[in-house]
Amino acid sequence: SQKIEQNSEALNIQEGKTATLTCNYTNYSPAYLQWYRQDPGRGPVFLLLIRENEKEKRKERLKVTFDTTLKQSLFHITASQPADSATYLCALTHGSSNTGKLIFGQGTTLQVKP
Amino acid sequence: DGGITQSPKYLFRKEGQNVTLSCEQNLNHDAMYWYRQDPGQGLRLIYYSQIVNDFQKGDIAEGYSVSREKKESFPLTVTSAQKNPTAFYLCATTGIYSNQPQHFGDGTRLSIL
Repeated sequence: SQKIEQNSEALNIQEGKTATLTCNYTNYSPAYLQWYRQDPGRGPVFLLLIRENEKEKRKERLKVTFDTTLKQSLFHITASQPADSATYLCALTHGSSNTGKLIFGQGTTLQVKP
Repeated sequence: DGGITQSPKYLFRKEGQNVTLSCEQNLNHDAMYWYRQDPGQGLRLIYYSQIVNDFQKGDIAEGYSVSREKKESFPLTVTSAQKNPTAFYLCATTGIYSNQPQHFGDGTRLSIL
């Protein structure tokens, strides 16, 4: 069956360092991969989208990579700040789907310490 | 401001009771979605609708019902048949293209009395 895995353990890093979060998937051929940020008690907020034919996407301090051979996406936050502390979700859409449906990973919680 | 409004923020259900969660949007988006989020788990799709007067079951539709009588509104009813309704419920919308990001409301937390 289709499966998306994110690190279930929280990631704790020091302010100023680069945070790297992982999203792995199996039995799936996504056309698009998206990353969202979720704060406690709030809905997720869209951050970045990367297509299957793109290797890398950047937005300010954020960088996403997409390796369809390894079936993996990495999400990087450079020069991390305590305000970056949140749960980060990856989500996939199927190439043949025209419904906009997303399949979400369980999320990784990032804690940036000052 | 454009956005998605979910209400109420907190809801309590008694045994045998049906409760309805509201989701309203003014983004003029065609597609709307309901997700359930449990601690330590990803979002699971309950129902979705791509157009008014039409909706489809998601992965965990049992015990839930929806309607889509207006483009702006997609209410979710948690029926008494849903035996484990305690969760965080999220409503989302997106435009007509499948690669567009989803926009989320701030959720309703449902608990059992």
